[in-house]
Amino acid sequence: TQLLEQSPQFLSIQEGENLTVYCNSSSVFSSLQWYRQEPGEGPVLLVTVVTGGEVKKLKRLTFQFGDARKDSSLHITAAQTGDTGLYLCAGNTGGFKTIFGAGTRLFVKA
Amino acid sequence: DTGVSQDPRHKITKRGQNVTFRCDPISEHNRLYWYRQTLGQGPEFLTYFQNEAQLEKSRLLSDRFSAERPKGSFSTLEIQRTEQGDSAMYLCASSPTTGSAEAFFGQGTRLTVV
Repeated sequence: TQLLEQSPQFLSIQEGENLTVYCNSSSVFSSLQWYRQEPGEGPVLLVTVVTGGEVKKLKRLTFQFGDARKDSSLHITAAQTGDTGLYLCAGNTGGFKTIFGAGTRLFVKA
Repeated sequence: DTGVSQDPRHKITKRGQNVTFRCDPISEHNRLYWYRQTLGQGPEFLTYFQNEAQLEKSRLLSDRFSAERPKGSFSTLEIQRTEQGDSAMYLCASSPTTGSAEAFFGQGTRLTVV
């Protein structure tokens, strides 16, 4: 069974702080995506990583794919209240099906 | 094309009634997925279409659930004899056949069975 474990499950921080959330699996993924989801809405794609060791930056967000393509991290620098949401990682093992982790719920306080 | 569109956004139904949801994918995407998401969880895969062919159906999808994509464009998900446990957000996503298989989601249909 492919499982994507995300940690922490919940994170509450002050505006301006940095944070890192993690996504781990025992499976190798051909690609991995990070999504952000707000209450009552569908997930919105942030980034896709496909190469082991790959690092992608999206403004204050830095995404890294592990060398073995089994894990990933998302680092947010100087968090803002607008970063509040559920961060989901999702992986594809080369077929058509994408599986999701349970998410990290981030709350950034003003 | 502005993305994946789902209708309705919200549905409240009485237990035992049938409901049908519609999904319009991004027009050039051949792949279409249905997921279900309950509170505090990530989306769980339900079923997948490539064009009009339903290629996989999760064991989560009981025989009360049926999905169609008759012309390879929009899709419908029907739940018969709804139960309270069916209450969830039903998400549709689409992706192109080539590339990294990243899926783009609609806004979802929130189903509440009372």
